[in-house]
Amino acid sequence: DQQVKQNSPSLSVQEGRISILNCDYTNSMFDYFLWYKKYPAEGPTFLISISSIKDKNEDGRFTVFLNKSAKHLSLHIVPSQPGDSAVYFCAASGGGSQGNLIFGKGTKLSVKP
Amino acid sequence: GAVVSQHPSWVICKSGTSVKIECRSLDFQATTMFWYRQFPKQSLMLMATSNEGSKATYEQGVEKDKFLINHASLTLSTLTVTSAHPEDSSFYICSASRKSGFTDTQYFGPGTRLTVL
Repeated sequence: DQQVKQNSPSLSVQEGRISILNCDYTNSMFDYFLWYKKYPAEGPTFLISISSIKDKNEDGRFTVFLNKSAKHLSLHIVPSQPGDSAVYFCAASGGGSQGNLIFGKGTKLSVKP
Repeated sequence: GAVVSQHPSWVICKSGTSVKIECRSLDFQATTMFWYRQFPKQSLMLMATSNEGSKATYEQGVEKDKFLINHASLTLSTLTVTSAHPEDSSFYICSASRKSGFTDTQYFGPGTRLTVL
């Protein structure tokens, strides 16, 4: 049973436009959510996080939105750049997991020039 | 800050041999380190959680006698794949947890590609 779901395996966006990556979760005990960016054959790089007490967190071009009632979060990248092309993983922790992260399967973002 | 290194970055070994992978937090002390593996086109799967000075906690289905974890200090954890077989070939990634305010953020190493012949 997948607790963190990224239903879109891939997303293609034009440079300069907005990229919206979505993530759904099932465990209402999750209280901390993170987005990681990963290039092939490299470890994930932390991008941005959000606590369940907030509904929005912004860092430069990256904004994460959390809708607790829908158990849904999204990552907005604006404007998208070709260097943003990578696999983006959504992760969640909490609910007694002692800091363990539960990852989604990832969404491959391609930003075209 | 928050740099995590792994060594080696890739290793090829014969079936039946043991392989040790090191994970170091370079600029912070990590009370907790995590070991993941990733198969092609799959998500990262947590293998075990390692706390400094205590035994690792393994996820269900992960053989603790096959994947030996040692967390000798606040900056070093090692994963030893014992008697490796071809099905152990995978991408192994470690992470180190650093507290930021009330929450912990995991910072990942670059990963180790293991190929067992």
